[in-house]
Amino acid sequence: DAGITQSPRHKVTETGTPVTLRCHQTENHRYMYWYRQDPGHGLRLIHYSYGVKDTDKGEVSDGYSVSRSKTEDFLLTLESATSSQTSVYFCAISERLNTEAFFGQGTRLTVV
Amino acid sequence: DQQVKQNSPSLSVQEGRISILNCDYTNSMFDYFLWYKKYPAEGPTFLISISSIKDKNEDGRFTVFLNKSAKHLSLHIVPSQPGDSAVYFCAASDLAGNQFYFGTGTSLTVIP
Repeated sequence: DAGITQSPRHKVTETGTPVTLRCHQTENHRYMYWYRQDPGHGLRLIHYSYGVKDTDKGEVSDGYSVSRSKTEDFLLTLESATSSQTSVYFCAISERLNTEAFFGQGTRLTVV
Repeated sequence: DQQVKQNSPSLSVQEGRISILNCDYTNSMFDYFLWYKKYPAEGPTFLISISSIKDKNEDGRFTVFLNKSAKHLSLHIVPSQPGDSAVYFCAASDLAGNQFYFGTGTSLTVIP
């Protein structure tokens, strides 16, 4: 299995509070991604990174920011959580763009 | 607007029989397709891929067929086994793109 660790695995937070989710990889892959999974929508890309300090927006980036200060770490931040951001969040990594990705186990976030 | 559609939310198949999971897409620029399998409380795992230069790709019990004119792909699992019970996602991308678009998933149950 690819070495991807997401933390925390579960979080409950209140509306309006900031939240940061962490993804850590040990595979030295260049590309890292954050997805959210919601019923009726499948997985949707939030942001991705193609190198240290190099990030770009995905399909559903509003309300989210990311940072990548080291190859192995990719952080997803909800500056002010809303109930619509209740979801399961997956981090993924890949060696090249547009190839199969390896996914982490997911973080279940509940915003109350 | 969903560019990749999996119109069957669920499918039940007897062990040993063939499972056929379908996926349709709307963007004619898509030229690379993936299938992922997902067990509960785990991240998706890559299963098989196909590019538009092919119409079929096999890997053991899994075969993916691509019909570009119909914008349709299917995953065949033969013979189906109880361990194949999972949610299956198809995903599509174009070579110039920076992301995969996922379908909403089909939950496969293989009955022993």
